[in-house]
Amino acid sequence: QQQVKQSPQSLIVQKGGISIINCAYENTAFDYFPWYQQFPGKGPALLIAIRPDVSEKKEGRFTISFNKSAKQFSLHIMDSQPGDSATYFCAASIGNTDKLIFGTGTRLQVFP
Amino acid sequence: EAGVTQSPTHLIKTRGQQVTLRCSPISGHTSVYWYQQALGLGLQFLLWYDEGEERNRGNFPPRFSGRQFPNYSSELNVNALELEDSALYLCASSGLGQKRKPQHFGDGTRLSIL
Repeated sequence: QQQVKQSPQSLIVQKGGISIINCAYENTAFDYFPWYQQFPGKGPALLIAIRPDVSEKKEGRFTISFNKSAKQFSLHIMDSQPGDSATYFCAASIGNTDKLIFGTGTRLQVFP
Repeated sequence: EAGVTQSPTHLIKTRGQQVTLRCSPISGHTSVYWYQQALGLGLQFLLWYDEGEERNRGNFPPRFSGRQFPNYSSELNVNALELEDSALYLCASSGLGQKRKPQHFGDGTRLSIL
């Protein structure tokens, strides 16, 4: 119930391509869905976040798509660059608890 | 603006010892969160402190504890260290009064148990 399932575990994309990472959840009480990017030796950095009353949010090359009925959300990285190579985590939280439940992470490699 | 700072960056301990990790939140942030990132287990929520009080606790034994000081900095204490406590310990902070609180992470303390 508290899990967030993330796929794929790893992803290889050519420069300029679209990277797509998917997450699914069961608990309908989740009401905040952030995505984090983590480089080796660094902490996770907040990329973009969405609430369930919005179906899509775009910030630069990063877009979150949210499907409330399917309980799924995804991160799209347009025009992927080698500098985007990192591990990406989706997460979810319930407002009054504030704890983030993280997906298992996706290691993205973008090749020139 | 300085981000979340954590110290030390690396730590090596032996089984049974005790350790204290420190975190300074972003200026103006009042909430501090601790997470454990262990190999193969992903990021797991440990503790949440807000305004000096423990607000929520993850599924960890009582030997994991902490506190938040009046300046909103925080300590995580782990007693009776076990091998499986080897992990990256991440601190995050968030602001006051936001309906949705984006959490901003530090770069963590890498704890190795020998």
